Amino acid sequence: TQLLEQSPQFLSIQEGENLTVYCNSSSVFSSLQWYRQEPGEGPVLLVTVVTGGEVKKLKRLTFQFGDARKDSSLHITAAQPGDTGLYLCAVTLNNLFFGTGTRLTVIP
Amino acid sequence: EAQVTQNPRYLITVTGKKLTVTCSQNMNHEYMSWYRQDPGLGLRQIYYSMNVEVTDKGDVPEGYKVSRKEKRNFPLILESPSPNQTSLYFCASSLSGPFHGYTFGSGTRLTVV
Repeated sequence: TQLLEQSPQFLSIQEGENLTVYCNSSSVFSSLQWYRQEPGEGPVLLVTVVTGGEVKKLKRLTFQFGDARKDSSLHITAAQPGDTGLYLCAVTLNNLFFGTGTRLTVIP
Repeated sequence: EAQVTQNPRYLITVTGKKLTVTCSQNMNHEYMSWYRQDPGLGLRQIYYSMNVEVTDKGDVPEGYKVSRKEKRNFPLILESPSPNQTSLYFCASSLSGPFHGYTFGSGTRLTVV
């Protein structure tokens, strides 16, 4: 059983649509990070959420940490082809532990 | 430009031939880490280092060695590579720990035949 379950695994949508991806666990975490990885590159940190219920916005991306600090969601408004990539959530244990990711494709 | 530099980007080698993947960061970060990324398994940590001469095992350390003799460098050594070490490898660094997030290199794609 994965510590972090990300869903969906794959998502293909048309440009302009909205979407939400999820990162779930049965464990409680002190913080959670979201990364985006583009083909041929390393992951890039998007945001860190710390407080239960916290919402952070990064342009068209909205990140939410669950009230119980066990889960998180990433919502993208009006997706664009540049949003294509692998979205990874990660939590701090002894070190940084990653989920297996959601692979998003935005079709022009 | 602040960055983590890995070399080489691509490497094909034969079973048993020792190799080193270099990693260097120019941000004066204390924490450095190595991950491997495999389809269906995601990113898994191999080793990490909290500072010079301080290293520790991650989740999948078998078959790998690391050293941290200088703050900026954190090489990954495969003494006797095997085909199950074929993977995409990432080096990453963080100012003072994973809570602050990692800056990743561009990756090294290793194939062991």
